[in-house]
Amino acid sequence: GQSLEQPSEVTAVEGAIVQINCTYQTSGFYGLSWYQQHDGGAPTFLSYNGLDGLEETGRFSSFLSRSDSYGYLLLQELQMKDSASYFCAETSKAAGNKLTFGGGTRVLVKP
Amino acid sequence: DAGVIQSPRHEVTEMGQEVTLRCKPISGHDYLFWYRQTMMRGLELLIYFNNNVPIDDSGMPEDRFSAKMPNASFSTLKIQPSEPRDSAVYFCASSTRQEGVTEAFFGQGTRLTVV
Repeated sequence: GQSLEQPSEVTAVEGAIVQINCTYQTSGFYGLSWYQQHDGGAPTFLSYNGLDGLEETGRFSSFLSRSDSYGYLLLQELQMKDSASYFCAETSKAAGNKLTFGGGTRVLVKP
Repeated sequence: DAGVIQSPRHEVTEMGQEVTLRCKPISGHDYLFWYRQTMMRGLELLIYFNNNVPIDDSGMPEDRFSAKMPNASFSTLKIQPSEPRDSAVYFCASSTRQEGVTEAFFGQGTRLTVV
């Protein structure tokens, strides 16, 4: 099964804020990253957290707490174009920088 | 750089046939990953290479799947013989180590349909 857990789907309206949580369990954890994938497209990198705390990139922010084995992606001022799937992914040192993805969260933005 | 290039973009083949998927990583990247994506199983890591050497192939479903990386600019994923359950989108991604793999760049994927 997945070593990363995230909700399967979230629905929100334009202008709202959405938080997507991700919990991980793998030993040898190195860092957590987030990817966006539109239908029919390829995953594209959004952000990375190697240390505890918040990383902000425009409307998107990502947070990591190693002590809680938990992170989240925060989407602010939602726009229609943000409708996509969002994946958390962990880098594990256990096997030399293995990059493993969670199941993805489908975000649907409504007018 | 043109990014990660995969070919073909679409492949339809009959059950039992051999399928070869190709990937050209971004120049200078020393990590290459092969993923398979389906609705049921999400993004599964099949195998990854570091400096052309396979590091972890524990995600390869069975012996019908094989992957090679003969040089830094080319990798193949082969399925022989193919089965309908292999139908999926196969992604190749590359990265360079900077204190761990932080950002992976994905190709556009190969949509494989086995009938």
